[in-house]
Amino acid sequence: RKEVEQDPGPFNVPEGATVAFNCTYSNSASQSFFWYRQDCRKEPKLLMSVYSSGNEDGRFTAQLNRASQYISLLIRDSKLSDSATYLCAVNSGGGADGLTFGKGTHLIIQP
Amino acid sequence: SAVISQKPSRDICQRGTSLTIQCQVDSQVTMMFWYRQQPGQSLTLIATANQGSEATYESGFVIDKFPISRPNLTFSTLTVSNMSPEDSSIYLCSVEDWEREASDTQYFGPGTRLTVL
Repeated sequence: RKEVEQDPGPFNVPEGATVAFNCTYSNSASQSFFWYRQDCRKEPKLLMSVYSSGNEDGRFTAQLNRASQYISLLIRDSKLSDSATYLCAVNSGGGADGLTFGKGTHLIIQP
Repeated sequence: SAVISQKPSRDICQRGTSLTIQCQVDSQVTMMFWYRQQPGQSLTLIATANQGSEATYESGFVIDKFPISRPNLTFSTLTVSNMSPEDSSIYLCSVEDWEREASDTQYFGPGTRLTVL
């Protein structure tokens, strides 16, 4: 079983719609969770950290479900500029460990 | 967050040669890491660059192939040795700064796009 799994998509979504992705992780001891956004031929950029209580930043909401071992990302009122690959990342150790990434979910917002 | 730069941004190399990639941060950071992103794939951690000691490598990566240095808290290098076409990839460094942020959030450099012929 892969450590971090995401639906690769692509998700084709009309502008203004709401879209949600999930990401499952296999290590129940995982401590930190993140969503990154990666544009074509660019480095990943941090979108959100995911806290146990969930967190919201404008149109973006992230949730953590420890019991079922998944995190989610919800994008409301999607914009054309939201088109990108969204990477889920998990830190299974302490701060000295690197991140384990999913393969990413490709999102295409259509006008 | 810290400003991270990498050199070179891209290179085309012949098989059998080696390339050293530099990662420079504009401030001291706690942790530095090196990742690889092969074409169409996600990021895979190569190693943690430890200041003043040998890097900690992930399974499947060895020091002879990917020697890493971290002489201080703002700089690290990754060498890709005896390259083959399978090493064609984007190599990214990332940093964590436990003093600036009370978390293990990582920020990435712009990456080095390597093509091996």
